[in-house]
Amino acid sequence: KAGVTQTPRYLIKTRGQQVTLSCSPISGHRSVSWYQQTPGQGLQFLFEYFSETQRNKGNFPGRFSGRQFSNSRSEMNVSTLELGDSALYLCASSPTGSNEQYFGPGTRLTVT
Amino acid sequence: AQSVTQPDIHITVSEGASLELRCNYSYGATPYLFWYVQSPGQGLQLLLKYFSGDTLVQGIKGFEAEFKRSQSSFNLRKPSVHWSDAAEYFCATSGTYKYIFGTGTRLKVLA
Repeated sequence: KAGVTQTPRYLIKTRGQQVTLSCSPISGHRSVSWYQQTPGQGLQFLFEYFSETQRNKGNFPGRFSGRQFSNSRSEMNVSTLELGDSALYLCASSPTGSNEQYFGPGTRLTVT
Repeated sequence: AQSVTQPDIHITVSEGASLELRCNYSYGATPYLFWYVQSPGQGLQLLLKYFSGDTLVQGIKGFEAEFKRSQSSFNLRKPSVHWSDAAEYFCATSGTYKYIFGTGTRLKVLA
């Protein structure tokens, strides 16, 4: 099976812009989670989707949003980018009924 | 609240030496525990997991971990480290539809 894929892998944006990141889970996985990784804060949970429904959300401002499509692919959007949003954004998928998460390579977002 | 703590930010070992990375968890019931490895610029790769049963868990790449309820620990071990093991290691526990990660331990391997 192909692993979790994330596009794009690298992105440079300017403060105030918005960005959309995409994640394709492993075939058959219906749960998709998003994490932000920064040197200062480590790995922080953003949100989790299952069958197009958000089941859990981390402690991030409303500028961070996500969605999941019927084919389980997921997108996350960050509006009004700030310098502090520069991070590696990781997506993970899980098979139904399992606590194991399989991570993609991440999208490196740089905000200038 | 559930949490995991990795007390060591950096560890340096010589190639061929043994390795132990520490992880302590905080949770009332039996937790689900994981170890992941991250190479520079890459995502996270699952090394091993503990859900229940045998407290000594074998993983990939020659790693193992032991769950000790009395010490609230889930330490990762490897008997002989290879230069390719240099990476960052994360301990994690499973919360409600999310993972809670430790702050990571960066491993440096000396030739």
